[in-house]
Amino acid sequence: EVQLLESGGGLVQPGESLRLSCAASGFTFINYAMNWVRQAPGKGLEWVSAISGSGDSTSYADSVKGRFTISRDNSKNTVYLQMNSLRAEDTAVYFCAKDDHIAVTGYYFDYWGQGTLVTVSS
Amino acid sequence: DIVMTQSPDSLAVSLGERATINCKSSQSVLYSSNNKNYLAWYQQKVGQPPKLLIYWASTRGSGVPDRFSGSGSGTDFSLTINSLQAEDVAVYYCQQYYTTRRTFGQGTNLEIK
Repeated sequence: EVQLLESGGGLVQPGESLRLSCAASGFTFINYAMNWVRQAPGKGLEWVSAISGSGDSTSYADSVKGRFTISRDNSKNTVYLQMNSLRAEDTAVYFCAKDDHIAVTGYYFDYWGQGTLVTVSS
Repeated sequence: DIVMTQSPDSLAVSLGERATINCKSSQSVLYSSNNKNYLAWYQQKVGQPPKLLIYWASTRGSGVPDRFSGSGSGTDFSLTINSLQAEDVAVYYCQQYYTTRRTFGQGTNLEIK
C-alpha cells in the first residue's frame, strides 16, 4: 500500500524558513518523480515543485522559484521542500504527491499525502 | 502556463441523476506523437487530499467506480458522473500534465439537489 506522510508544517513569521518532509512507502521510490502541491485555505490546487526519480532534475512554479528548493534522499525514501523567505501568500496546506512517471516532466499524481499546514503570519 | 477553465463553478444534481463537468485548456494538451491527451481529473472531499479519478482524459484510476467517465480531446474535456450517489459530493478538478508546470482548473463544487 502506497503511503505518503508529510511533516514539518507550522506557524512562522514572514521572511522565515521552514523545511517540509514527505516519507514514502509501498513503492520503489527511486522509480518515480515526486511533487509538492499546495492549497490555500478555501482555494484550489496549485502545483509547486517536482523532482525526478534520480533527483538530478527539478522544476518550480514561478510563484516560488528562487525561494523554495525541492530535494530527495532515495536512501530514506523521503522528499523535502525547503521554503525560504516565506510570505503570507505561501499560507496553505502542502501536499506531497507521487507522480506516475520517473522524469520531472511528469504525468498525473496517482497518490497524495494528507498534507501539512503552513501558516505565515506575524 | 496552460490555463485550465472549468464550468460550472458549482453544480447541484439530484441523487441518481447525471452530473457533467467541463474543462477547457488554453492550448491543446493532445500530444501528437502518441495521440494521448495529457488530462486528468481529481475528486477532493472535505478535509481529504485529492484522489485521482481519470487520467489520459478517459482512463479510470484504480478502484474508481464505472459511473465516472471522462471524454474529450485537444482543448475540451468533460467528466460525467452517472447515477449520482451521496458519496460523490466533492470538489472536482481537472489538471493538464502536457507541460512540466502542471496546472489545475479552479474546481467545480458538486452538491446534491
